[in-house]
Amino acid sequence: EADIYQTPRYLVIGTGKKITLECSQTMGHDKMYWYQQDPGMELHLIHYSYGVNSTEKGDLSSESTVSRIRTEHFPLTLESARPSHTSQYLCASSDTYGYTFGSGTRLTVV
Amino acid sequence: DQQVKQNSPSLSVQEGRISILNCDYTNSMFDYFLWYKKYPAEGPTFLISISSIKDKNEDGRFTVFLNKSAKHLSLHIVPSQPGDSAVYFCAASEAGTALIFGKGTTLSVSS
Repeated sequence: EADIYQTPRYLVIGTGKKITLECSQTMGHDKMYWYQQDPGMELHLIHYSYGVNSTEKGDLSSESTVSRIRTEHFPLTLESARPSHTSQYLCASSDTYGYTFGSGTRLTVV
Repeated sequence: DQQVKQNSPSLSVQEGRISILNCDYTNSMFDYFLWYKKYPAEGPTFLISISSIKDKNEDGRFTVFLNKSAKHLSLHIVPSQPGDSAVYFCAASEAGTALIFGKGTTLSVSS
């Protein structure tokens, strides 16, 4: 049974639309992350949070934004989707060195 | 510049034989290393990890070796099974910060 949930699993959306990718975890982890991954490439860190009301940008520049109002919830928002945002988005949480990943959201912007 | 490198994009092995996946890193401050397995359209699944104070960690068919002087680690899978076919990612962390991933190696195990 998954302890970290991402919705939706798949999303096809038109250019210019605003979207929010949901991520929730039930483990009480303080640290949460968003990674972006394209086929054949490494997972790139785009956002992370070490606790409520704490968010930072990762190594890969991203036009998305995140919020952390509750420990268990770490949504990612794209204000205006573009085809270049087509990718797989992976959410993770960690406790010290233990990482757990969600199943990911495959986003396609047409 | 990539801090974690997996220079072999793919590896093909016969069932029952050993699979060896390699990973090199450049940051000498990395103190924790992990291997993940990933299927398409799924999130990575944790396989095995090793702390920089060790040079070997074993869990069933999976063994990870760390050579700090060479900044190199490897994952050994013995015996390999068709169900092991997936993309394997090497990842590293410094002092509990976010994981840095390599590009992955696609392992194909044929029966």
